[in-house]
Amino acid sequence: GNSVTQMEGPVTLSEEAFLTINCTYTATGYPSLFWYVQYPGEGLQLLLKATKADDKGSNKGFEATYRKETTSFHLEKGSVQVSDSAVYFCAYQGGSEKLVFGKGTKLTVNP
Amino acid sequence: DGGITQSPKYLFRKEGQNVTLSCEQNLNHDAMYWYRQDPGQGLRLIYYSQIVNDFQKGDIAEGYSVSREKKESFPLTVTSAQKNPTAFYLCASSTPGTEYGYTFGSGTRLTVV
Repeated sequence: GNSVTQMEGPVTLSEEAFLTINCTYTATGYPSLFWYVQYPGEGLQLLLKATKADDKGSNKGFEATYRKETTSFHLEKGSVQVSDSAVYFCAYQGGSEKLVFGKGTKLTVNP
Repeated sequence: DGGITQSPKYLFRKEGQNVTLSCEQNLNHDAMYWYRQDPGQGLRLIYYSQIVNDFQKGDIAEGYSVSREKKESFPLTVTSAQKNPTAFYLCASSTPGTEYGYTFGSGTRLTVV
C-alpha cells in the first residue's frame, strides 16, 4: 500500500551543521508532498510543500525537492540552529486526500 | 485570524470516566481529523469526517467516539473502553484538494490516573 519512509532518528547535530533528513514514498499518481515540524508539546506546523515533480519547497532556510524519478522528498538545511530542535514529519497527499505520514525524525541541535 | 482550537491543553481524568476533547475550527474546512500520538511515536488516525453528519473510523477507533453536528466542531470522546487512553491528541482540518495539506491544533495532553 501507500506509505512514507523517513530516516530513523534521533539525529543529533552541532549548531551550524548541515542537515539532511531522508524521505521516500510509495504512491501512485502525482501526490503532493509535505514536511511538517512539531516543537515540544505543540501540534504540527506546515514547514514546506511541493505539489508537482521538480518543485522545490522552501521555508526558514529548509528546502526539499520533489524527485519523482526517485520518489523522494529529502529535507535539507545548510546551517541548523538550536531553535530547529523538533520532530520532523514527511507526508504525502494523494487522490484520497488523506495525508499519509512518516513516523517522524527527532532532531536535536546542540550549541 | 483563522485557525483550529483544541481545549483544554491538559486534561486529567480518573480511570473509568469518559472524557470529551474539544476541537473547533473557523477555517471553513470541510474535513476534520483526530490523531493520537504516544511518546516518541508517530501519528495514528482515530476518526475523520469529510462532511457534516458523517464520519469514518481510522486505524485505532476502538474505545473512541465522535460527532460532527456542525462544520466547525468535531469533538472526540475517550470512553472507558479505551484501554490505554493517556496520550497526546491532535485535531486537524483540511479543505478539498491534494495540495493544501492539513492545519493542526495545538493538541490536548490527556492523562488518566
